[in-house]
Amino acid sequence: DAGVIQSPRHEVTEMGQEVTLRCKPISGHDYLFWYRQTMMRGLELLIYFNNNVPIDDSGMPEDRFSAKMPNASFSTLKIQPSEPRDSAVYFCASSLGPGQGSGNQPQHFGDGTRLSIL
Amino acid sequence: DQQVKQNSPSLSVQEGRISILNCDYTNSMFDYFLWYKKYPAEGPTFLISISSIKDKNEDGRFTVFLNKSAKHLSLHIVPSQPGDSAVYFCAATKYFFGTDKLIFGTGTRLQVFP
Repeated sequence: DAGVIQSPRHEVTEMGQEVTLRCKPISGHDYLFWYRQTMMRGLELLIYFNNNVPIDDSGMPEDRFSAKMPNASFSTLKIQPSEPRDSAVYFCASSLGPGQGSGNQPQHFGDGTRLSIL
Repeated sequence: DQQVKQNSPSLSVQEGRISILNCDYTNSMFDYFLWYKKYPAEGPTFLISISSIKDKNEDGRFTVFLNKSAKHLSLHIVPSQPGDSAVYFCAATKYFFGTDKLIFGTGTRLQVFP
């Protein structure tokens, strides 16, 4: 079965450019999460969706960051304009919610997008 | 403010010995805890979890212990194998309060040498 698919795997761009990261969750999963990983702060949750609706975006660092989930099989994380301090690995994860009758379901992660802003 | 802390950034253990990875948390509302393992250039993968109503959970070579009074949990790997070399993340959530939000620690890099 296909896992969570993220694209691109690597992105190098110049400061000020718009960056769009993409994620396809596991089919049937109703939760989608975006994380950022840095050496100093580890894995930080940026935003998560339930049934395509944003539930908690308190981790989004600034207005330069935005995320959308237009349908159950696709989500984007956009940074505009990008800055060097945005350089990190960005992960998308999906899961079944606790309402599925199976207890707390672990999140399944994609392999991440390594973003470098020059 | 780090609500979940992994104070050891790295750990080196000989193959066959026990690896003990530690995690501390500050929020007493956390009621469900998970460990994830991460290899380079891959996403984290779920390893084992424990609910706050238990103090121990085992899965093969992996055992997680929870000490609620100390707000501390640990992951024991016995025996350690070279394939266990990875970064291990501890995570916590307030599951029974209806949130699906995981708070992660900064990770511990485990190296198992022959």
